[in-house]
Amino acid sequence: AQKITQTQPGMFVQEKEAVTLDCTYDTSDPSYGLFWYKQPSSGEMIFLIYQGSYDQQNATEGRYSLNFQKARKSANLVISASQLGDSAMYFCAMRGTQGGSEKLVFGKGTKLTVNP
Amino acid sequence: DVKVTQSSRYLVKRTGEKVFLECVQDMDHENMFWYRQDPGLGLRLIYFSYDVKMKEKGDIPEGYSVSREKKERFSLILESASTNQTSMYLCASSPNPGWRVGDTQYFGPGTRLTVL
Repeated sequence: AQKITQTQPGMFVQEKEAVTLDCTYDTSDPSYGLFWYKQPSSGEMIFLIYQGSYDQQNATEGRYSLNFQKARKSANLVISASQLGDSAMYFCAMRGTQGGSEKLVFGKGTKLTVNP
Repeated sequence: DVKVTQSSRYLVKRTGEKVFLECVQDMDHENMFWYRQDPGLGLRLIYFSYDVKMKEKGDIPEGYSVSREKKERFSLILESASTNQTSMYLCASSPNPGWRVGDTQYFGPGTRLTVL
């Protein structure tokens, strides 16, 4: 079974600083994908970044980067130069390639607060 | 842009009522999903569908049913609403059945359901 663990219920960061949100995972699938989503207070889930298990380089999308350490089974999200609009819930999720591969498994989320 | 819409942002129902939550996507996606989101529990999959008239149970299907008569529409049904079904309900869709791990899910804005 696949499992995602986010150990930080809440994080605080000063505006313009960088912040790392932790995510560890567990799976027996040989090939899998890892996703990060942002959920502002309005409720919609916004896709941020994707990392494939066989990708050679860490994924980056603008101010978002994914620190992927396969041996440690971690896929931490790094947000550089935090902005007030980054305050939101952040969810790490995983998708495998075996039975039920259409499904995503989500972590419980981290609430990020950016202080001015 | 992919668009997933949900019939209501906020809904208040009484215990025992039959409740329909509707979800429509406009990108011809094969897969559609219903999640509920509760504080501290993250997103939990209720049901998903990978084709018209096809459905599979997720992690918490008890008390819910679904209907997919058309490819673009996926309905979640609470046959007899109970107070413990008060929650945020999120619909999502994704392209292609199968194994492409990079295919993200696209989410609707969510429906906050309160059962009194």
